[in-house]
Amino acid sequence: KQEVTQIPAALSVPEGENLVLNCSFTDSAIYNLQWFRQDPGKGLTSLLLIQSSQREQTSGRLNASLDKSSGRSTLYIAASQPGDSATYLCAVMYVGGFKTIFGAGTRLFVKA
Amino acid sequence: DAGVIQSPRHEVTEMGQEVTLRCKPISGHDYLFWYRQTMMRGLELLIYFNNNVPIDDSGMPEDRFSAKMPNASFSTLKIQPSEPRDSAVYFCASSLDNSNQPQHFGDGTRLSIL
Repeated sequence: KQEVTQIPAALSVPEGENLVLNCSFTDSAIYNLQWFRQDPGKGLTSLLLIQSSQREQTSGRLNASLDKSSGRSTLYIAASQPGDSATYLCAVMYVGGFKTIFGAGTRLFVKA
Repeated sequence: DAGVIQSPRHEVTEMGQEVTLRCKPISGHDYLFWYRQTMMRGLELLIYFNNNVPIDDSGMPEDRFSAKMPNASFSTLKIQPSEPRDSAVYFCASSLDNSNQPQHFGDGTRLSIL
């Protein structure tokens, strides 16, 4: 079964810390992997999309890596800020269906 | 540019009533997706369209659910008859293509069936 798992489910850090969110997936045959941010009562905002042929993507303080062989991706957030507090979701598009499977998310709280 | 627009933002109705959710995708996007989000099951894909044609509806939970896309700028998700277990947040998303471009989400419709 094609699944996406995110660890930890919740994380609380003091402002300024660097942090890593983890995502694992069960099948290496993927088209892409996306990281999204979701604020309470809002839709999802795409942060980074990594194609199957890529190893990482960067945007500002965010860096996402992809290791298909081990079925893992990480989202690195540098110098965290209270405004980074949100739920972060990992989503994988598996080959063979063009369906995107979402993880349950990691709820991040950055304390001022 | 306007993002994906969903209406209504909130819907409260009684069991057995028909519910229609609406979505306007970003202009020029060829793909449109309907998702449902609940605490228990997370975010699930219900159906997606390419150029107004339904491609995969295997996520639609049962025959009470139907979705249409009569033109490139409008889609509906209908539940008839509605049941309390249909209560969830329903999201619509669109993208330029299906594997190389990110999906853009609307703010969702929070549906409560009493």
